[in-house]
Amino acid sequence: GAVVSQHPSWVICKSGTSVKIECRSLDFQATTMFWYRQFPKQSLMLMATSNEGSKATYEQGVEKDKFLINHASLTLSTLTVTSAHPEDSSFYICSARVGLAVNNEQFFGPGTRLTVL
Amino acid sequence: AQRVTQPEKLLSVFKGAPVELKCNYSYSGSPELFWYVQYSRQRLQLLLRHISRESIKGFTADLNKGETSFHLKKPFAQEEDSAMYYCALRPLSGNTPLVFGKGTRLSVIA
Repeated sequence: GAVVSQHPSWVICKSGTSVKIECRSLDFQATTMFWYRQFPKQSLMLMATSNEGSKATYEQGVEKDKFLINHASLTLSTLTVTSAHPEDSSFYICSARVGLAVNNEQFFGPGTRLTVL
Repeated sequence: AQRVTQPEKLLSVFKGAPVELKCNYSYSGSPELFWYVQYSRQRLQLLLRHISRESIKGFTADLNKGETSFHLKKPFAQEEDSAMYYCALRPLSGNTPLVFGKGTRLSVIA
């Protein structure tokens, strides 16, 4: 299957700093990328949907000014957590899908563990 | 709104015993249902989807529209089946993301 990578795999930062997480589709062009957040022992919660070249669509309750998403190319999407605080500590997972066909599979990255001190 | 419910957080079975991981969904339209699996320290990966009607690693799942369920079954559990299992739903139309249940941790005891 297709491969989605994330970088970094883990990051520790001080409160108030910004952190950028990259998500790349390695062997396919991703029309759509999704960002999920997973708290310990909980399910994946969708944060936003991003289509290449357009603004991301955020889920209710997700602050778009805090979680900046850029999808500048068909193989790269970035999530920037601005002015991070300890409550932002979580596991962030990106997912990518080829095309718009309803039966296209959604591939997942390995996740990025963010710890804010 | 779409919702996926997995009532069991943890399911422990002995090796060789049958396994059933429950999943119920709520959606007014026609959904596509999936089971994803996450082995220890690995990424989430697709196990099976209802439209494929296939058996993967001995697992099967049948979509029951009357009961709005998509339970995952395997007749004989193996130790390597121990993992986190997530049921997910996606509307059949539109470019929409997967919506996940909370997951069930399956532990197969030797």
